[in-house]
Amino acid sequence: KAGVTQTPRYLIKTRGQQVTLSCSPISGHRSVSWYQQTPGQGLQFLFEYFSETQRNKGNFPGRFSGRQFSNSRSEMNVSTLELGDSALYLCASSRDAGNTEAFFGQGTRLTVV
Amino acid sequence: ELKVEQNPLFLSMQEGKNYTIYCNYSTTSDRLYWYRQDPGKSLESLFVLLSNGAVKQEGRLMASLDTKARLSTLHITAAVHDLSATYFCAGHAGGTSYGKLTFGQGTILTVHP
Repeated sequence: KAGVTQTPRYLIKTRGQQVTLSCSPISGHRSVSWYQQTPGQGLQFLFEYFSETQRNKGNFPGRFSGRQFSNSRSEMNVSTLELGDSALYLCASSRDAGNTEAFFGQGTRLTVV
Repeated sequence: ELKVEQNPLFLSMQEGKNYTIYCNYSTTSDRLYWYRQDPGKSLESLFVLLSNGAVKQEGRLMASLDTKARLSTLHITAAVHDLSATYFCAGHAGGTSYGKLTFGQGTILTVHP
């Protein structure tokens, strides 16, 4: 059974650019959550999608957005990148919305220069 | 809002010794998770604890949950070097939290020969 797949694994972007990260959940899982991990702030919740609907959002500026497609794949977008956006972005999938165990992908390491 | 605190944040152990990581949370959490993270890697699910008094064991790790005290513990028995990693606990506030997990700061465990 394939796990959660995140692409790309590594990205280097320049300040002011935008970036799109992708997450394919485990087959049959309909909930996808995104987290940002930094040494200073730890693991912080970005947003969660279930059946193409955003059900919950963390305390991040509007530059951070996401969406989910009908096949449950999800993308997150960060516009006008800042140095502080450098982080490991983790995607988690679960079968239902907040009701079951969450499995994490390998993450996308974003570096903003 | 659910807050999760772990202690200690750093734990240096000798092989063969026992120790406990504590995870306190601030408000009702309908389940408690423990994850392991190796450097540069994603989060590996260790345990999901669903009810008061729940105890789960896997190898040298045992996790328990006391919902009345709002406390979960991860006990390490006869530590070995392979257990060196960062351990996170995470709570789920239930209700409209949907897929949102709130993580503790993480405990960096180093096991020395």
